[in-house]
Amino acid sequence: DIVMTQTPLSSPVTLGQPASISCRSSQSLVHSDGNTYLSWLQQRPGQPPRLLIYKISNRFSGVPDRFSGSGAGTDFTLKISRVEAEDVGVYYCMQATQFTWSFGQGTKVEIK
Amino acid sequence: QVQLVQSGAEVKKPGASVKVSCKASGYAFSSYYMHWVRQAPGQGLEWMGMIYPSVGSTTYSQKFQGRVTMTRDTSTSTVYMELSSLSSEDTAVYYCARDSQAFDIWGQGTMVTVSS
Repeated sequence: DIVMTQTPLSSPVTLGQPASISCRSSQSLVHSDGNTYLSWLQQRPGQPPRLLIYKISNRFSGVPDRFSGSGAGTDFTLKISRVEAEDVGVYYCMQATQFTWSFGQGTKVEIK
Repeated sequence: QVQLVQSGAEVKKPGASVKVSCKASGYAFSSYYMHWVRQAPGQGLEWMGMIYPSVGSTTYSQKFQGRVTMTRDTSTSTVYMELSSLSSEDTAVYYCARDSQAFDIWGQGTMVTVSS
């Protein structure tokens, strides 16, 4: 099974400041079709998860451009350029490779 | 609009089974894989398995193999997830999620509580 490891697990951030979350996989996420199906989800308190980023760096419809994704192979990063109050929640990376799916443990973003 | 609407909360006794439904609307139901993900109280997300509604083929997490069954009804655009031999460790919110290169649409979640 592919294990996804996120760091940090908690990220207190000042409003307007940047935040960065790292996600590392236990093996390469490059699919046999050449794509890398690494996505990022946001879960606000009491809500279902919401897709932010898919295939490493593509913002989903309606997602603000302060969210960006990058990385390759086994190392990936989600960045929030300027944290806003509505960004509070837990962020998960997720992988899909060869008919297996798994999530990182989650990173809690909160305001200092 | 595209949405997934799940059935309501359930309370079950240990050893019982639960069947949760997820009704899709606003898109071509048979064309997208549907996954089930659960989240225990205060915990992270756990992938359970998926179904391809077009042909009904399934793939389950090894953890749930033998205890979970996913089915679909194309006439009503509904997928079902049945989990048997429930224990207190199965107390969680269960989500369905559509797969379009990522889990782009999620149901609202169904709380399943297992308690004697």
